[in-house]
Amino acid sequence: KAGVTQTPRYLIKTRGQQVTLSCSPISGHRSVSWYQQTPGQGLQFLFEYFSETQRNKGNFPGRFSGRQFSNSRSEMNVSTLELGDSALYLCASSFPSVQGQDSYEQYFGPGTRLTVT
Amino acid sequence: AQKITQTQPGMFVQEKEAVTLDCTYDTSDPSYGLFWYKQPSSGEMIFLIYQGSYDQQNATEGRYSLNFQKARKSANLVISASQLGDSAMYFCAMRRTSGWDDKIIFGKGTRLHILP
Repeated sequence: KAGVTQTPRYLIKTRGQQVTLSCSPISGHRSVSWYQQTPGQGLQFLFEYFSETQRNKGNFPGRFSGRQFSNSRSEMNVSTLELGDSALYLCASSFPSVQGQDSYEQYFGPGTRLTVT
Repeated sequence: AQKITQTQPGMFVQEKEAVTLDCTYDTSDPSYGLFWYKQPSSGEMIFLIYQGSYDQQNATEGRYSLNFQKARKSANLVISASQLGDSAMYFCAMRRTSGWDDKIIFGKGTRLHILP
């Protein structure tokens, strides 16, 4: 079974531009989560999508947005890039949590390393 | 609010020795899961082991075991017979399991160096 894939792997943008990152989950997984990883803040949750709906959202400004398609693929968009947006963006997929049942682990992709200059 | 604390920013261990990576957590949820992930220099997060809050026995996966002490809110990772390939960042993480919430909260991580 293929793992989580993320494209592109590396990206260089300038301040003020916008960027779109893509994530394809493991086949059969319907939940996709996005995380930002920086040396200073560590791993921070951005948002989670399930069945094309945003189910959870972290504490990030509105410049960060996402969406999920009917095939569970997800995209993340950052508008008006700032230097502080330079980070490794990780996508993770899982079976959705079901209330009353135990949790399934999330499987991560290789990440997209975004550099803003 | 949930919180994960990893107090060891870095560790150096001789190859073939056992390693214990510390993790304490804080949550008011009665139902939660605890994870350990490994992140090599390539960047990908690799799932290692999972422990549910209601599990009676400590989780084990090959050379990895999780020393779960619920009363102390501790979930230490033990790696037996360390190998050079174990050199990486290790993250302890937690999520609720009582609701519709797939969000995982991560600790700051511990960088493990295995010495030949």
